[in-house]
Amino acid sequence: AQKITQTQPGMFVQEKEAVTLDCTYDTSDQSYGLFWYKQPSSGEMIFLIYQGSYDEQNATEGRYSLNFQKARKSANLVISASQLGDSAMYFCAMREGNFQKLVFGTGTRLLVSP
Amino acid sequence: DAGVTQSPTHLIKTRGQQVTLRCSPISGHKSVSWYQQVLGQGPQFIFQYYEKEERGRGNFPDRFSARQFPNYSSELNVNALLLGDSALYLCASSRRQGSNQPQHFGDGTRLSIL
Repeated sequence: AQKITQTQPGMFVQEKEAVTLDCTYDTSDQSYGLFWYKQPSSGEMIFLIYQGSYDEQNATEGRYSLNFQKARKSANLVISASQLGDSAMYFCAMREGNFQKLVFGTGTRLLVSP
Repeated sequence: DAGVTQSPTHLIKTRGQQVTLRCSPISGHKSVSWYQQVLGQGPQFIFQYYEKEERGRGNFPDRFSARQFPNYSSELNVNALLLGDSALYLCASSRRQGSNQPQHFGDGTRLSIL
């Protein structure tokens, strides 16, 4: 069974609008971490935001926020005020327990238009 | 501080050859992980090393091996290359073990097998 599911292969948004990228996960562990990474066409993976399973508040980092709904096992990324430079692939990933292994979803390609 | 550095950036090999990829973690980071990203997919976990010991291994054949040196840099070796080994190989480092530690990725090595 897939541990991380990203159902949106592609998303389009206009500059300055907000966009939500969906991520659902599957785990039986009580302790886990959820991450979002951005991958521009150049290939590097850029860490955006982290949410721990025991964190009570939704994580925020500048224009990025994570809408964490534990009961629904979802960890959606919200990008506010989209910029042209936000055009990239976005990956949701999970780490279980104390292990470093990240399990990634298939990604969502975001295109921001002027 | 310099980020994670990987070398070489691009590599072309033929089937049956062997390849060594190198990674230098961020200064102060003791954990190094390797991932393989095939075109159009999310990264897949290969290995993790922490304090020079293997701490995790993904579902890859024995042709893949790695090691970590006293300065925490790491090498990934792949023997008897197959066409399917063509991918972007990403190295990631983090300060220590722990589920809330983000992994920071290098720019990757693009390996092409002819």
